[in-house]
Amino acid sequence: NAGVTQTPKFRILKIGQSMTLQCAQDMNHNYMYWYRQDPGMGLKLIYYSVGAGITDKGEVPNGYNVSRSTTEDFPLRLELAAPSQTSVYFCASSYYTGFNEKLFFGSGTQLSVL
Amino acid sequence: QQPVQSPQAVILREGEDAVINCSSSKALYSVHWYRQKHGEAPVFLMILLKGGEQKGHEKISASFNEKKQQSSLYLTASQLSYSGTYFCVAGNMLTFGGGTRLMVKP
Repeated sequence: NAGVTQTPKFRILKIGQSMTLQCAQDMNHNYMYWYRQDPGMGLKLIYYSVGAGITDKGEVPNGYNVSRSTTEDFPLRLELAAPSQTSVYFCASSYYTGFNEKLFFGSGTQLSVL
Repeated sequence: QQPVQSPQAVILREGEDAVINCSSSKALYSVHWYRQKHGEAPVFLMILLKGGEQKGHEKISASFNEKKQQSSLYLTASQLSYSGTYFCVAGNMLTFGGGTRLMVKP
């Protein structure tokens, strides 16, 4: 099994550009998450989804949008990129079975906005 | 609200023990612990679901006090491979603590 697949691994954007970070999981997990991690810091939750068609904001949603049309895919859209969005982005998925089971992470996307 | 971890950093010699604490201002029903190596994604260590229950992973164990809204991670006889940043994660939205940087030296 591939687990959680994130693309691209690296990307450089110019201020004001837009892009979509792709995330796919093949474990039939109901929950999916997007986190960002600034250098030397912990992970901050951007958005999460409890199932296809259902998404909700996390701690730092401003400047981002998500959609979840299928169980497998959870893309993250950056509109009008800003230097403050320079970070490492991690997608994760898990089962929720009455409690949150362990998170499976993708390998991350290093994004620089210049 | 973000769980609070302490200490922020710790340096050990190989074979020494360490304790990392995690506390929350909100009621805790479960706590996850993860370890992250530089340049990599976090890796799951364990989940604690019941108050006072201890779980183990290699020579790493943890406790969870639901009433005190606290969890502690115990690393015994540390190995070089234990170096990294440790995170506790709690809440329905799986909020990460600020992390504890652990360095194990020979």
